[in-house]
Amino acid sequence: EVQLVESGGGLVQPGRSLRLSCAASGFTFDDYAMHWVRQAPGKGLEWVSGISWNSGSIGYADSVKGRFTISRDNAKNSLYLQMNSLRAEDTALYYCAKARRTWVAGAFDYWGQGTLVTVSS
Amino acid sequence: EIVLTQSPGTLSLSPGERATLSCRASQSVSSSYLAWYQQKPGQAPRLLIYGASSRATGIPDRFSGSGSGTDFTLTISRLEPEDFAVYYCQQYGSPRFTFGPGTKVDIK
Repeated sequence: EVQLVESGGGLVQPGRSLRLSCAASGFTFDDYAMHWVRQAPGKGLEWVSGISWNSGSIGYADSVKGRFTISRDNAKNSLYLQMNSLRAEDTALYYCAKARRTWVAGAFDYWGQGTLVTVSS
Repeated sequence: EIVLTQSPGTLSLSPGERATLSCRASQSVSSSYLAWYQQKPGQAPRLLIYGASSRATGIPDRFSGSGSGTDFTLTISRLEPEDFAVYYCQQYGSPRFTFGPGTKVDIK
C-alpha cells in the first residue's frame, strides 16, 4: 500500500524558515517524480514544486521560486521542501504527491494527508 | 505557463443527473497530459482521470474524460451521493504543473 506521510508544518513568523518532509513507502521511490502541492484555507490547489526521479529536473511555481528548495533522498525514501523567507500568503496545507512517471507526463496518483503551515506574527 | 479555466464555477444537480464539467487551457496541452481530480471536504485530492480520458485505478465507469488540445471535459453519467465534491483539472505536460480553479458540484 502506497503511503505518503508529511511532517514539519507548524506556526512560523514571517521571514523565518521551515523544512517539510514526506516519508514514502509502498512503492519504488526512485522510479517516480515527486511534488509538493499546497492549498490555502478555503482555496484551490496550487502546484508548488516538483522533482524528477533522479533530481535531474526540478521546477518551481513563480510564487515560491528563489525562496523554496525541493530535494529528495532516494536512499531514505524521503522528499523535502526547504521554505525560506516565509510570507503570510504561504499559509496553506502542504501535500506531498507521487507522480505516475519520472518527470513530466505523470499525473499525481497518490497524495499524503498534508501538513499545515501557518505564517503569522 | 499554461493557464487552466474551469466552468462552471458551481454546478447544482440532483443525484442521478448527468454532470458535465469543462476545462479550457490557454494553449495546447502537450500529448493530452490533462488530469482530473476529485476533492471532498477534509480529504486529499484523488486522481480520477489522466491522459484526458484514462480512468485511474478503482474509478467507477460513470466518470469519463474527453478532449484534446485546449478543450477538455469531465462527465459524470449519473451522479451518486458520494460524487458531490470539488473537481480540479491539471495539466502535467510542461514543467509548470498547473491546476484549474475548480468546479464545485453540489446538491440541488
